[in-house]
Amino acid sequence: DAKTTQPNSMESNEEEPVHLPCNHSTISGTDYIHWYRQLPSQGPEYVIHGLTSNVNNRMASLAIAEDRKSSTLILHRATLRDAAVYYCIRHNNAGNMLTFGGGTRLMVKP
Amino acid sequence: DAGITQSPRHKVTETGTPVTLRCHQTENHRYMYWYRQDPGHGLRLIHYSYGVKDTDKGEVSDGYSVSRSKTEDFLLTLESATSSQTSVYFCAISDSGGNYEQYFGPGTRLTVT
Repeated sequence: DAKTTQPNSMESNEEEPVHLPCNHSTISGTDYIHWYRQLPSQGPEYVIHGLTSNVNNRMASLAIAEDRKSSTLILHRATLRDAAVYYCIRHNNAGNMLTFGGGTRLMVKP
Repeated sequence: DAGITQSPRHKVTETGTPVTLRCHQTENHRYMYWYRQDPGHGLRLIHYSYGVKDTDKGEVSDGYSVSRSKTEDFLLTLESATSSQTSVYFCAISDSGGNYEQYFGPGTRLTVT
């Protein structure tokens, strides 16, 4: 079972940092953590992924707990365009399937 | 943006009719995927392809078939559409399997009446 647990929704103010949590307490040693987001009426969009170390890219940062049972997606400065559903996904290196859960709906207030 | 198009973007059809959805890519990526998205279920994988004429089933493959005769096109066919197949269908591509990011198309909204 490749389940992750995320809050259903979160709110943020524009231009403030956002920390989106994800629990994956049964993660195996070979599972990567992927984050995708889906803007209204669009297909999902890749955000970031990592295995053990924290990762940064132009969109976000990913902080992975030392025991790997949880991770946090960090948007450093939320904009209105960041309002979307954010999916945290465990992905085995040997598999091809991304298993999407319910995700977190992020609302950004001006 | 990755070059992925889906056609048609919207379709209404009647129960029992065959329907084919097309996914076209210009990225020369090896892997192609079909997902469906329904309220309360997130996205679920229907079928995927790991090369020309190489396909495999996903989580919810019953009632669907796929074909890939060339790298750039991946077809999803509903042989006899049912109302339970009303959904939004997304195609995705990736350069490799495993831990390579997938790029998604804009989606096809299918309504079966």
